[in-house]
Amino acid sequence: QLHLQESGPGLVKPSETLSLTCTVSGGSISSSSNYWGWIRQPPGKGLEWIGSIYYSGSTYYNPSLKSRVTISLDTSKSQFSLKLSSVTAADTAMYYCASVHSPWTDFQHWGQGTLVTVSS
Amino acid sequence: DIQMTQSPSSLSASVGDGVTITCRASQSISNYLNWYHQKPGEAPKLLISAAYSLQSGVPSRFSGSGAGTVFTLTISSLQPEDFATYYCQQSYSSPSTFGQGTKLEIK
Repeated sequence: QLHLQESGPGLVKPSETLSLTCTVSGGSISSSSNYWGWIRQPPGKGLEWIGSIYYSGSTYYNPSLKSRVTISLDTSKSQFSLKLSSVTAADTAMYYCASVHSPWTDFQHWGQGTLVTVSS
Repeated sequence: DIQMTQSPSSLSASVGDGVTITCRASQSISNYLNWYHQKPGEAPKLLISAAYSLQSGVPSRFSGSGAGTVFTLTISSLQPEDFATYYCQQSYSSPSTFGQGTKLEIK
């Protein structure tokens, strides 16, 4: 059973870069069976797909965030990461990492989430 | 982007009741529709993929149907653990988008 765990700062200043890491266990991050994605949820609101990455390094981003998002993979650490630049208060959200069968289909296994607040 | 609209936004029901949640897409998405539920303080959990495929371990009281633009999630006999917020998600095209959620509360 795949287990995913997010980590990173819970507070980021406006205009700075949000950086989160997801550590995968219970399966191989290099498996061709899975893509790895990030989803966020502002407090009290709905879900937004941010982007996904394949073990090959291919990335897929939500066009609304594409100019500010970078997702990368470190297979040696079984981790994938999210960087979101130039953050504002609107980026305050619970950030989840998840496994997904293809870049934006069904998100099967989720991390517990990590709350990131953008505030000075 | 494809807009997903769920109805109702909230719903009150009792244990043992049957309920149906509807999700409408702004354009045809074939059967590329997934359902999740989310309990407070937890991550969403995938219940149904491809409109009607029940995920392993999900009770058979959950069922999904629909194709094109209109989809439904039915819970045949509510159990206490079913009270949560339900989301639909289209995976037909990028960006994948979610409905706004339906909060299912105990009456």
